Amino acid sequence: SQKIEQNSEALNIQEGKTATLTCNYTNYSPAYLQWYRQDPGRGPVFLLLIRENEKEKRKERLKVTFDTTLKQSLFHITASQPADSATYLCALGMDSNYQLIWGAGTKLIIKP
Amino acid sequence: GAVVSQHPSWVICKSGTSVKIECRSLDFQATTMFWYRQFPKQSLMLMATSNEGSKATYEQGVEKDKFLINHASLTLSTLTVTSAHPEDSSFYICSAREAPGSNQPQHFGDGTRLSIL
Repeated sequence: SQKIEQNSEALNIQEGKTATLTCNYTNYSPAYLQWYRQDPGRGPVFLLLIRENEKEKRKERLKVTFDTTLKQSLFHITASQPADSATYLCALGMDSNYQLIWGAGTKLIIKP
Repeated sequence: GAVVSQHPSWVICKSGTSVKIECRSLDFQATTMFWYRQFPKQSLMLMATSNEGSKATYEQGVEKDKFLINHASLTLSTLTVTSAHPEDSSFYICSAREAPGSNQPQHFGDGTRLSIL
């Protein structure tokens, strides 16, 4: 069956360290993958998009990798700050279909 | 830029009431808007895709007579939960794409918390 998995347990990271979140998928061949941030009681906010032919994408303190062999994307936040605490969602997309397939998200807690 | 406004943010009403939720793109035109439902600690569940000027496309298992969607303009889509019951209580979120293309990011409203008593 098709599924997309993110760490279900909350991730606790010390301020200043690098936080790494994982998004694994099975039985999909996505053309691209998107990462979003969601704060409690708010809608998700788009962060980064990475295409299948891209290995890595960066934006300020954020870095995303995409390994189509492992069927995995990693999302890194370097020099993490308490303000980075939120739930991070990954979503797969296919060019042939306008829909996104969403993971359940990983809650990230950055401790001062 | 790319701001989506969703209203109301919170609704509490009695069983049997119909509730309308508005989703507006404030600074861009959105030919496509999406309506999602989200349960605690679960992924976003797409309910329907709303295209301006045409009928919405509903996902399997979503009752179109229960969840009425109207997308009358390029900046406004509405979701009406008709004769709402307690099992309809949830967090409803809309999103819109600023540019065509399936890989374009979605811009989300802040959601509507619906509680049916």
